[in-house]
Amino acid sequence: GAGVSQSPRYKVAKRGQDVALRCDPISGHVSLFWYQQALGQGPEFLTYFQNEAQLDKSGLPSDRFFAERPEGSVSTLKIQRTQQEDSAVYLCASSLEVGQVIFGPGTRLTVL
Amino acid sequence: GENVEQHPSTLSVQEGDSAVIKCTYSDSASNYFPWYKQELGKRPQLIIDIRSNVGEKKDQRIAVTLNKTAKHFSLHITETQPEDSAVYFCAASSGNTGNQFYFGTGTSLTVIP
Repeated sequence: GAGVSQSPRYKVAKRGQDVALRCDPISGHVSLFWYQQALGQGPEFLTYFQNEAQLDKSGLPSDRFFAERPEGSVSTLKIQRTQQEDSAVYLCASSLEVGQVIFGPGTRLTVL
Repeated sequence: GENVEQHPSTLSVQEGDSAVIKCTYSDSASNYFPWYKQELGKRPQLIIDIRSNVGEKKDQRIAVTLNKTAKHFSLHITETQPEDSAVYFCAASSGNTGNQFYFGTGTSLTVIP
């Protein structure tokens, strides 16, 4: 596609529910990133993939967060037993080479 | 790890004036410094970037300067226009961290017509 796409754009979950957020990177982009952006803050790194390999997951806040990219293209970020503090915009980004990271529109997650 | 600080957090300028946003970083291994513009409810958009082998880069009304010794870099917007109003984020990255970006906390720029 022409850009990074994410779905759903908005998600409302009850506390304790599991959610799955999808990212479709730009075709051919090797690197894929997930970021969490709280209201009024800069994006915070969650995890990074190079093709299907998850090379860095140091930013995942707890073991309730899990990300995968099994075929090196589409990625899913899963949050189990959601908590109110998980409410944020989750941004996916991809890049072909070092630098020039392109962001998707984000998924706004609200946990009630 | 890397720590990126950004200031000011808010900035108001008259249309036509210049705006300057400054960032500092801590990791001397960082070698790539992009700037993103984020309008309300939209995705961050890359507006300009600079690599550590360059001291300054310009693109029309936007310029970025980098001082590696002092570990700081700045965004300069000249002849500001109302459509420049947005939140601007700086970031730092090193290839050693797999292209992970560390973002500043953002500067909310308002250009007053």
